Amino acid sequence: ETGVTQTPRHLVMGMTNKKSLKCEQHLGHNAMYWYKQSAKKPLELMFVYNFKEQTENNSVPSRFSPECPNSSHLFLHLHTLQPEDSALYLCASSQAIGGRRTGELFFGEGSRLTVL
Amino acid sequence: TQLLEQSPQFLSIQEGENLTVYCNSSSVFSSLQWYRQEPGEGPVLLVTVVTGGEVKKLKRLTFQFGDARKDSSLHITAAQPGDTGLYLCAGDQVGTSYDKVIFGPGTSLSVIP
Repeated sequence: ETGVTQTPRHLVMGMTNKKSLKCEQHLGHNAMYWYKQSAKKPLELMFVYNFKEQTENNSVPSRFSPECPNSSHLFLHLHTLQPEDSALYLCASSQAIGGRRTGELFFGEGSRLTVL
Repeated sequence: TQLLEQSPQFLSIQEGENLTVYCNSSSVFSSLQWYRQEPGEGPVLLVTVVTGGEVKKLKRLTFQFGDARKDSSLHITAAQPGDTGLYLCAGDQVGTSYDKVIFGPGTSLSVIP
């Protein structure tokens, strides 16, 4: 039990499908993140939310659409993905003050996405 | 863009051996973290180093932050199969407005019983 829960753990989708990844944190943190982990590449930061406001969007294609309804929940909506989007998508949370992370990142177990 | 390099990329050793993995950058970081990620799981923080020259020990793991805060090493003594996993270093960029953690590509360690 890491305190950050991601569902589903595994997802296979076609290029025309629409699906969503869900993340929930039970740690009382106020910042949440989406990272992408591809084979042989470093973790890539995709989005950052601080108090439900998006503060970072690292040039992520619009086929990825994040949503943060409150400080405990984070979604990543997926549509018309490409096979190269297949990867492990990791959610993380942390405490933040004044727009800066003040503690460690706590990661979820990840959602393994395969796009056919 | 600050980059973190890790070496070796892969390491396979026998149980009981010692090993060192390295994390290097040409840029200065305000702090550096080491994570371990097991297959099918998310990364778990092992340690954070902040001060140049700092050495931290966590049981059989010894972490060192370079004097110039550009590099770090992780030394494992008497490796055990439970140490198997992907070791990631991550650095906090200096002088940015928000969270700019840069991750290295990782060292994949396999400890054979």
